[in-house]
Amino acid sequence: AQKITQTQPGMFVQEKEAVTLDCTYDTSDQSYGLFWYKQPSSGEMIFLIYQGSYDEQNATEGRYSLNFQKARKSANLVISASQLGDSAMYFCAMRDLRTKAAGNKLTFGGGTRVLVKP
Amino acid sequence: KAGVTQTPRYLIKTRGQQVTLSCSPISGHRSVSWYQQTPGQGLQFLFEYFSETQRNKGNFPGRFSGRQFSNSRSEMNVSTLELGDSALYLCASSSGGAGDKQFFGPGTRLTVL
Repeated sequence: AQKITQTQPGMFVQEKEAVTLDCTYDTSDQSYGLFWYKQPSSGEMIFLIYQGSYDEQNATEGRYSLNFQKARKSANLVISASQLGDSAMYFCAMRDLRTKAAGNKLTFGGGTRVLVKP
Repeated sequence: KAGVTQTPRYLIKTRGQQVTLSCSPISGHRSVSWYQQTPGQGLQFLFEYFSETQRNKGNFPGRFSGRQFSNSRSEMNVSTLELGDSALYLCASSSGGAGDKQFFGPGTRLTVL
């Protein structure tokens, strides 16, 4: 079974500073994908970044980068130059990529609430 | 492309009633997944439909069911509502391939009184 742990329930970050959100995962699978989503107060989940377990380079998407350490089973999200609009809940999620039967099921962590201060 | 749409956005029901929620995926996407989000349990996977077939199912009672139509639109139904079914129900669509990103709709917030 897969498990995602986000140990930071909430954090403050100063505008324009970088912030790192922690995510550790537990799986016996060799082929998996890791995702980060942002959920503003409106409720919609917004895709941020994806990392495959066999990807050799860390994923980057604009101000978002994923610090992937496979041996430590961690996939931390780094947001550079924080903006007020970054205030939201952030979820780390995992998906099994072994077989088609595994489908698109995502296992989510408990989330981290980020509040950006001006 | 238009994003994932969910209707209705808000619902209030009473215990024992049933409810149907609808999700229209992004055009061309064949996979629709449903998730329940509550403060206590977090985000939990309900089920996924791909090309009108249920491909995967989470650990929810049989009161929760779903279906997918030939145009990939999906509905989920909850019968005999309980207070604990109050939640944000999110659907996500993807093309269905390995490593595909899933795109979520705005959710339907269900309140059971």
